Amino acid sequence: KAGVTQTPRYLIKTRGQQVTLSCSPISGHRSVSWYQQTPGQGLQFLFEYFSETQRNKGNFPGRFSGRQFSNSRSEMNVSTLELGDSALYLCASSLEYRALTGELFFGEGSRLTVL
Amino acid sequence: GQNIDQPTEMTATEGAIVQINCTYQTSGFNGLFWYQQHAGEAPTFLSYNVLDGLEEKGRFSSFLSRSKGYSYLLLKELQMKDSASYLCAIPGGSYQLTFGKGTKLSVIP
Repeated sequence: KAGVTQTPRYLIKTRGQQVTLSCSPISGHRSVSWYQQTPGQGLQFLFEYFSETQRNKGNFPGRFSGRQFSNSRSEMNVSTLELGDSALYLCASSLEYRALTGELFFGEGSRLTVL
Repeated sequence: GQNIDQPTEMTATEGAIVQINCTYQTSGFNGLFWYQQHAGEAPTFLSYNVLDGLEEKGRFSSFLSRSKGYSYLLLKELQMKDSASYLCAIPGGSYQLTFGKGTKLSVIP
């Protein structure tokens, strides 16, 4: 069974640009979450999608957005990049459709560097 | 809101036992997770506790006390491959996890 796949794995952007990251969940998983990981703040929740609907959003500015497609694949977009957006962006999929009581399966992440 | 505290770093010797503590504050409790993350890799699930007490899974055990807002992860017979960050996490409302900043464990020979 294939795991969670994230692309690209590494990317470098400059301030003001935008970026789109992609995540393919484990087959059969319909819940996809996105987290930002930085050395100073650790793992922070960005948003969660289920059946193409955003069910929850973390405390991030509107520059961070996402969506989910009918095949459960998800993308997140960051516009007008800032230096502080440099981070590892992790996608996780889960079987859960109610409150989170189940295991999250994480992808390897997309490491974004903003210059 | 929610708050999770873990020690930032720990060092232990190969073959020894180490206990990684986690204290949390939350308005509604729906269980506590432990994840392991090796450097440069994805976090992987270790355990989930929703009731008080100790749950054992091989060399790893996880303990929970809901009244004290306290959990620990116990690693026995430490191996070099156990060097990793250990993340404590609690559900923060529906569909999201609130993570602690993680405890970086270094296992030395």
